[in-house]
Amino acid sequence: LAKTTQPISMDSYEGQEVNITCSHNNIATNDYITWYQQFPSQGPRFIIQGYKTKVTNEVASLFIPADRKSSTLSLPRVSLSDTAVYYCLVGDNGGGYQKVTFGIGTKLQVIP
Amino acid sequence: DTGVSQDPRHKITKRGQNVTFRCDPISEHNRLYWYRQTLGQGPEFLTYFQNEAQLEKSRLLSDRFSAERPKGSFSTLEIQRTEQGDSAMYLCASSLVPSLNTEAFFGQGTRLTVV
Repeated sequence: LAKTTQPISMDSYEGQEVNITCSHNNIATNDYITWYQQFPSQGPRFIIQGYKTKVTNEVASLFIPADRKSSTLSLPRVSLSDTAVYYCLVGDNGGGYQKVTFGIGTKLQVIP
Repeated sequence: DTGVSQDPRHKITKRGQNVTFRCDPISEHNRLYWYRQTLGQGPEFLTYFQNEAQLEKSRLLSDRFSAERPKGSFSTLEIQRTEQGDSAMYLCASSLVPSLNTEAFFGQGTRLTVV
């Protein structure tokens, strides 16, 4: 399974757009990119998933360049409640991405 | 459906005792996963089921750990002869495969403390 690398932590002020980039240089052809959010003492929560180009939902956008060796999670106008750990996962969409050990993730701290 | 449910939420046990956790997945989900998470780390994959069949176990999973999903619905994770290093949050997740979006839904976890 493809290994991912993402920043350990990020700080942002409320109302700003936050972009978290994940590197996955050895992503396979049938791999999808999935992002999860986790608050303290809770299980992770699915944010967004994509294969290529751009995906947008009501929570975030996911940008994937043509070579798919990286991806960027974009959170528009963050609020204090977006303070959480964000995980980038790579694996096939047949549940493969779930058979992985999550990395440390990116701890996002939103500052008032 | 109220999502993935785990019981108990917290468990304190003495070293050497056996513990069992339960996970009730979303009812129509055929996949069920168990993870372990320690402080400051991401969830670590332990094992998963497709219906009642246990299809994969992490090589990190000690022989003291066993999981079952007898009727393809709820699952149990048992830890025998607990050790202090077993203290962690144990997370369960479920998903429906195949589907257009194989989103995994997580429960709130069972926090185990071994004293």
